[in-house]
Amino acid sequence: EIVLTQSPATLSLSPGERAALSCRASQSVSRYLAWFQQKPGQAPRLLIYDTSNRATGIPARFSGSGSGTDFTLTISSLEPEDFAVYYCQQRSDWPLTFGGGTKVEIK
Amino acid sequence: QVQLVQSGPEVKNPGASVKVSCKTSGYTFTSSGISWVRQAPGQGLEWMGWIGGGTGNTHYGQNFQGRVTLTTESSTNTVYMELRSLRSDDTAVYYCARKTLGAAEDYWGQGTLVTVSS
Repeated sequence: EIVLTQSPATLSLSPGERAALSCRASQSVSRYLAWFQQKPGQAPRLLIYDTSNRATGIPARFSGSGSGTDFTLTISSLEPEDFAVYYCQQRSDWPLTFGGGTKVEIK
Repeated sequence: QVQLVQSGPEVKNPGASVKVSCKTSGYTFTSSGISWVRQAPGQGLEWMGWIGGGTGNTHYGQNFQGRVTLTTESSTNTVYMELRSLRSDDTAVYYCARKTLGAAEDYWGQGTLVTVSS
C-alpha cells in the first residue's frame, strides 16, 4: 500500500502567518491527493481534492500544490479557526491511505 | 442536502462483533459509494474500506481484510460496516463518508464511538 508521510508533526504559528504543510508519498500518486481538516470532536472536512482544487465553500487562503510524490498544503494567512489537524489522503490506488497528520497550533 | 446519519454508540466485549449503520439521504444512492474511516483516541485517521452504492463492489484496507464486511441496503439507502473479532485496540470513532469514484470523501457522518472492553 502507498504510505503517506506528513511533516512536520506539529507547526506552531501565530494568526496571520503563512503555513506550509508537507505530504510525501512512498510512490507516485499522480495528482490524486486530497487534504482534510479536523477539529476536536468533529468529523474531518474536505479542503482540497486532486492536489489543488478547493472543495465547496473552502476559502481561497487554502491552496494545494505538487505532483507525483511531493505535495504541499498552504494556508496563506492563518485565521483563528484554522488551528486544527490536517491530513493528506491518496486515492491513486486501493487501499486508500491517510498520512499521519500535522497539527497546526497557536504559538 | 446530503446527509449521512450513523447509528449510536456501542460497547462490546473482546471477541464480539459490531455492526454500524450509515443512513444516507439527499443524493442518488447508486451514483456514489461510501468509505469507512476510523480514529482511535488521540490518533490519526485510518481508512477501512469502500463500497459502491450501485454495484456493491468493495475494497478493504490491508489491516482489515477478512475481519470487516461492508454491505448496502438499497431500499433504505443505508450502508453497514461489520467488524468481527473485536479487540481493545478497535476502540475508536468510526465514520462513514460519501465517496464517488474519481473523487474524494466529501460528506461525512457524525461518527459512532465503539468501545471494546471487558
